[in-house]
Amino acid sequence: QKEVEQDPGPLSVPEGAIVSLNCTYSNSAFQYFMWYRQYSRKGPELLMYTYSSGNKEDGRFTAQVDKSSKYISLFIRDSQPSDSATYLCAMSGGANFGNEKLTFGTGTRLTIIP
Amino acid sequence: GAGVSQSPSNKVTEKGKDVELRCDPISGHTALYWYRQSLGQGLEFLIYFQGNSAPDKSGLPSDRFSAERTGGSVSTLTIQRTQQEDSAVYLCASSFERGRETQYFGPGTRLLVL
Repeated sequence: QKEVEQDPGPLSVPEGAIVSLNCTYSNSAFQYFMWYRQYSRKGPELLMYTYSSGNKEDGRFTAQVDKSSKYISLFIRDSQPSDSATYLCAMSGGANFGNEKLTFGTGTRLTIIP
Repeated sequence: GAGVSQSPSNKVTEKGKDVELRCDPISGHTALYWYRQSLGQGLEFLIYFQGNSAPDKSGLPSDRFSAERTGGSVSTLTIQRTQQEDSAVYLCASSFERGRETQYFGPGTRLLVL
C-alpha cells in the first residue's frame, strides 16, 4: 500500500463549479501538507501548504487537513478553464519542508469545461 | 530570475545504453532534488543534495542510478544500462537551505527507453 493515495481521475467539471480534490495517507508522522499544480509538460508548482489539522484559504483555493482521519482536501471555488491541470498532494514530516524529500500522491487530472 | 532548467527536454535511447540528465538549479539554492514521475505513480523521490553534506541516496531504485553535484550547483543524474522500466519524466527541484521554502521544479526530462 502506498503511503499517500490519490484518485488519479480524470475529473471533468463545468466552469464555475466547486472542485473537491482529496488524498489519504497512512504515515502519522506527516505534519506538513502541500498541494502542487502541474500543467502539461511543466514541473509542479506549489499552490498551498498547511501544517497539522485545520483549514487554510487563499483566494479561490481552500486546503483542509484532518489528521485524525488522515485525510486532506483541496477545494477550488468558481473554477476556471485555467485551473485545468494535474493536482498533486505532497507531505513531509518536518517543518523544513523546503529541505526534505516529499512524498507525493499520484496526482488528479482536472479539466474545467467552459 | 531564471528558474530550474533541465536538459535534454526529451531523450530516446535504446535498452542497455547509458544516459545522463542535467539539472541547473536556481542560483543560490543549496538544496537539490531528483524525482521520477511515472504514469500512474506520482513523483518518486530519488536523491537529495544539501550543501556539502553527503547526499541522501535512499530513493535510488538500483545501483544503475547515480547522481553527482559539482561545485554545489549543477547536477547530473546518470542511468547505466537503461531498462524499459526506466522510461519516465525525471524532475529536478531546488530550494534554499533553511525555512519553509518551497521546492522549485524544473520542466523535467522525458526519457523513453526502447
